Amino acid sequence: DTGVSQDPRHKITKRGQNVTFRCDPISEHNRLYWYRQTLGQGPEFLTYFQNEAQLEKSRLLSDRFSAERPKGSFSTLEIQHTEQGDSAMYLCASSPWGGELFFGEGSRLTVL
Amino acid sequence: GQQVMQIPQYQHVQEGEDFTTYCNSSTTLSNIQWYKQRPGGHPVFLIQLVKSGEVKKQKRLTFQFGEAKKNSSLHITATQTTDVGTYFCAGSTNFGNEKLTFGTGTRLTIIP
Repeated sequence: DTGVSQDPRHKITKRGQNVTFRCDPISEHNRLYWYRQTLGQGPEFLTYFQNEAQLEKSRLLSDRFSAERPKGSFSTLEIQHTEQGDSAMYLCASSPWGGELFFGEGSRLTVL
Repeated sequence: GQQVMQIPQYQHVQEGEDFTTYCNSSTTLSNIQWYKQRPGGHPVFLIQLVKSGEVKKQKRLTFQFGEAKKNSSLHITATQTTDVGTYFCAGSTNFGNEKLTFGTGTRLTIIP
């Protein structure tokens, strides 16, 4: 197993466009998390799945953000009508039981 | 909402000197984790503390969880260049870690 993988690693888009990020967790992990990190800050919680169920979503997340985890395997995070303030590193992490989080390399988003 | 603060924000030390970072939560935690993020990298799990007053050691690293379970510290003895990076604490108010709140981080640089 190669760990948590994220795609794409870098995405540059124009304001107003939609973007989608994909995360493939470690195969036996039933928990999957999305975090957002801006320069000089700690990761900020966005949402969390246990298997295919989205159990919690940050109140900071606007309606432009949506995440799915069909069949409890890979997950996608979509941002609609991107704004410059959405520019950040989007980190995915998985966990087998809620202990240690295994992070992917992240998807860096730049909104022009 | 829950806030987790870390001090200092930055620390520059001579190689061989000790280093300590402190973590304070606005709410009582069920457990706390520590992560290290190398420049350009993703957070990597170091340890989890669960019990009030718990102390754990990993070679030159010593982790403590406060008696009130609202603060924690990480101490590195005799720093090496490989210790460079940002150290984050991350706390949860439930043992299932459904939502880890990361601290603001302490960035450690080593002067050779």
